[in-house]
Amino acid sequence: DTGVSQDPRHKITKRGQNVTFRCDPISEHNRLYWYRQTLGQGPEFLTYFQNEAQLEKSRLLSDRFSAERPKGSFSTLEIQRTEQGDSAMYLCASSPRTGGLTDTQYFGPGTRLTVL
Amino acid sequence: AQTVTQSQPEMSVQEAETVTLSCTYDTSESNYYLFWYKQPPSRQMILVIRQEAYKQQNATENRFSVNFQKAAKSFSLKISDSQLGDTAMYFCAFSYTGTASKLTFGTGTRLQVTL
Repeated sequence: DTGVSQDPRHKITKRGQNVTFRCDPISEHNRLYWYRQTLGQGPEFLTYFQNEAQLEKSRLLSDRFSAERPKGSFSTLEIQRTEQGDSAMYLCASSPRTGGLTDTQYFGPGTRLTVL
Repeated sequence: AQTVTQSQPEMSVQEAETVTLSCTYDTSESNYYLFWYKQPPSRQMILVIRQEAYKQQNATENRFSVNFQKAAKSFSLKISDSQLGDTAMYFCAFSYTGTASKLTFGTGTRLQVTL
């Protein structure tokens, strides 16, 4: 069990550029979550996958944001036409699914995005 | 929608002492889960302790324990015998039971453990 990994760890881009982040969950975890954390705040939910199905999206996820999880394994989060307000830490988490109980979410190290 | 409030932005405690971090939440549901997560500087977030709302007994994990007051919607974290490695941001979080299980976090409390 290598934990949740995210790539890249840091990304600096210019306003208007597109960026894509990758998350590899713990193997056999079928739930995957994306959160955004801005400075001095707690993480905020963006979206959630169960296997390859995207089941919920936050209103924070504007039409410039898109997330995929092909084949129910790794996930990508793409931001098009980045804005300075997109600067944040993007966190990925995964959890197993056991019965009807909420399961512990295991977080990755995050991708810190800076938009100049 | 549920909200989570952490009213202590920063706290400091001496090594080996005990400290309590506060958290209140607001929800109209009766079944839910509460969590404390720890985020050390430049390191990833890890779960410290969790509490199911239907359980009256307060959760404990080694030096960490909670005081869960359901009627008051309060969920405080007590750290006993504080260690330098406990220095971190601590986030209180809430989730409903059910399929989504997304977490709603508070703004965090920065805990500094000093010698």
